[in-house]
Amino acid sequence: QVLLVESGGGVVQPGGSLRLSCAASGFTFSSYGMHWVRQAPGKGLEWVTFIEYDGSNKYYADSVKGRFTISRDNSKNTLYLQMNSLRAEDTALFYCASPAYGDYINYWGQGTLVTVSS
Amino acid sequence: EIVLTQSPATLSLSPGERATLSCRASQSVSRYLAWYQQKPGQAPRLLIYDASNRATGIPARFSGSGSGTDFTLTISSLEPEDFAVYYCQHLSNWPPLTFGQGTRLEIK
Repeated sequence: QVLLVESGGGVVQPGGSLRLSCAASGFTFSSYGMHWVRQAPGKGLEWVTFIEYDGSNKYYADSVKGRFTISRDNSKNTLYLQMNSLRAEDTALFYCASPAYGDYINYWGQGTLVTVSS
Repeated sequence: EIVLTQSPATLSLSPGERATLSCRASQSVSRYLAWYQQKPGQAPRLLIYDASNRATGIPARFSGSGSGTDFTLTISSLEPEDFAVYYCQHLSNWPPLTFGQGTRLEIK
């Protein structure tokens, strides 16, 4: 079965950096694009970024463009999110997610919590 | 950017009742719309894709309809485990990929 396990969350000061990882298993990781979606405490879902199966194309929400970078290592079945210049409003549970039924997000990890606070 | 507006924000119903949730898009998304259910402390679960197709393992009491800008998620007879937050999400002309703000379905 598909398993996505995020790690790397924690507490960071405003302006700081953090790198999230997502270990994937149970499917052919190198054949699928991958998303990061976040959810601020008590709030709704916000799509953050997407990377094509081979890393050839990457897309970002305006709120993170220029600060966050998505990448992947298909040899390690791992997805990454490098987050720089973090702000208080980036505080959220970050999910990695993979599609099914075309591009619809169907599989989600358990999330990793990022807290930006001084 | 396509904005999805869900209504109502909160819906209070009793088990056994019928639930009707709405999602309106700021421009046509054809039928490229999904519905998700999220329970406290859990990741979202895909219920419906392409406006009306149930994902694998989703009970038949969940149904979706609509096209263009107006969509509906219907739960025909509420079970206790259906009380949760529901989000719609579009896949038309993205990025960005956007979600509605959610409808909280609570027990009356």
